[in-house]
Amino acid sequence: DSGVTQTPKHLITATGQRVTLRCSPRSGDLSVYWYQQSLDQGLQFLIQYYNGEERAKGNILERFSAQQFPDLHSELNLSSLELGDSALYFCASSATSEGEQFFGPGTRLTVL
Amino acid sequence: GENVEQHPSTLSVQEGDSAVIKCTYSDSASNYFPWYKQELGKGPQLIIDIRSNVGEKKDQRIAVTLNKTAKHFSLHITETQPEDSAVYFCAASRSNNFNKFYFGSGTKLNVKP
Repeated sequence: DSGVTQTPKHLITATGQRVTLRCSPRSGDLSVYWYQQSLDQGLQFLIQYYNGEERAKGNILERFSAQQFPDLHSELNLSSLELGDSALYFCASSATSEGEQFFGPGTRLTVL
Repeated sequence: GENVEQHPSTLSVQEGDSAVIKCTYSDSASNYFPWYKQELGKGPQLIIDIRSNVGEKKDQRIAVTLNKTAKHFSLHITETQPEDSAVYFCAASRSNNFNKFYFGSGTKLNVKP
């Protein structure tokens, strides 16, 4: 158990809908990262937050957004969902803005 | 940006044999190289990492080597056990790039009892 929690574990929704994925980092970690893992793309970095501020952006679509709240938990919002958005979404956390990242168990999103 | 290539995509070994997974990277400024193990239905778990100021690091049956000149690094698992069966990912990042990890495509390791 990494100490990073993610909810929900599974999510099934329809195209065009909007969903919110939630992540709680390890106690004391200030940095949160979001990754997308699909069969044909491997692990793709989406976005990083550090102590409430956006720090780095990867291959995140404009339909996706994220934020980190004062209590350091983070939410990833996915809107206008498409079939291709079906994937595992992982959250990771680290104590600082660099170094070892600890991954959560992931949220499996299925878009029908 | 950084490009990390990982080989092989699948690897099957007999229990007790060694397994080697190799990764190459393109950005010479990358200075942190972690390896993650992902079991079915779980998130990736860090198993070992190496920074660019060392050439080799070992932790029990697992070792990682880094060749900065050639820009490649490898994971070595000795005396493999069935519980080593999983997907292994390498990654590269540089500390002045806000910890953005670039992952390899993964290696599915199967250890046959």
